[in-house]
Amino acid sequence: DTAVSQTPKYLVTQMGNDKSIKCEQNLGHDTMYWYKQDSKKFLKIMFSYNNKELIINETVPNRFSPKSPDKAHLNLHINSLELGDSAVYFCASSPHTDTGTDYGYTFGSGTRLTVV
Amino acid sequence: AQKVTQAQTEISVVEKEDVTLDCVYETRDTTYYLFWYKQPPSGELVFLIRRNSFDEQNEISGRYSWNFQKSTSSFNFTITASQVVDSAVYFCALSEENAGGTSYGKLTFGQGTILTVHP
Repeated sequence: DTAVSQTPKYLVTQMGNDKSIKCEQNLGHDTMYWYKQDSKKFLKIMFSYNNKELIINETVPNRFSPKSPDKAHLNLHINSLELGDSAVYFCASSPHTDTGTDYGYTFGSGTRLTVV
Repeated sequence: AQKVTQAQTEISVVEKEDVTLDCVYETRDTTYYLFWYKQPPSGELVFLIRRNSFDEQNEISGRYSWNFQKSTSSFNFTITASQVVDSAVYFCALSEENAGGTSYGKLTFGQGTILTVHP
């Protein structure tokens, strides 16, 4: 069973379109995240939700809107897509407390978004 | 603010050579976590190690070893007898405890080191 699953894996779309990326985790974790990896491989946090509540909101254009219907899901909706939004987007989750044996963060396999 | 620096952008070695990837971090917190991830050409992020700030023991896992030194704020990663399959981008990352009481907060990544191992 996949622990953190993102769909779709690849997304090619035209400028100006609106698109969503879905993320689901079956680990029972309380916290979920969205990270963006740019063309230079740099990974940066965008958002974090803890039990459906937004706790981290980095400097991200408000065309990006996360939505967490429950603590197992965190979706990312992007309006009016621009060329510069092309990147790989990673979803991740983490437990509330360090259990001593957990991995900290579990990442999804990424969604490669290409805006043309 | 937390920061992670991986000074080596790219490293190229020949198979069987040992290679060390450097990582230096900055944080004001006394409780924090350090991580290493591998990103192979397929693109997924593969967890390698997690270390909390109270555990300065070095760790060895097969050909991989990690040297954590709080005195120099470094968490270096060594691959012994490198193999072609080790070719990947390697990321060091730092997480501080979240103000909301969760153990894991924002994960800050270094810039990554591209390791190429030639046959």
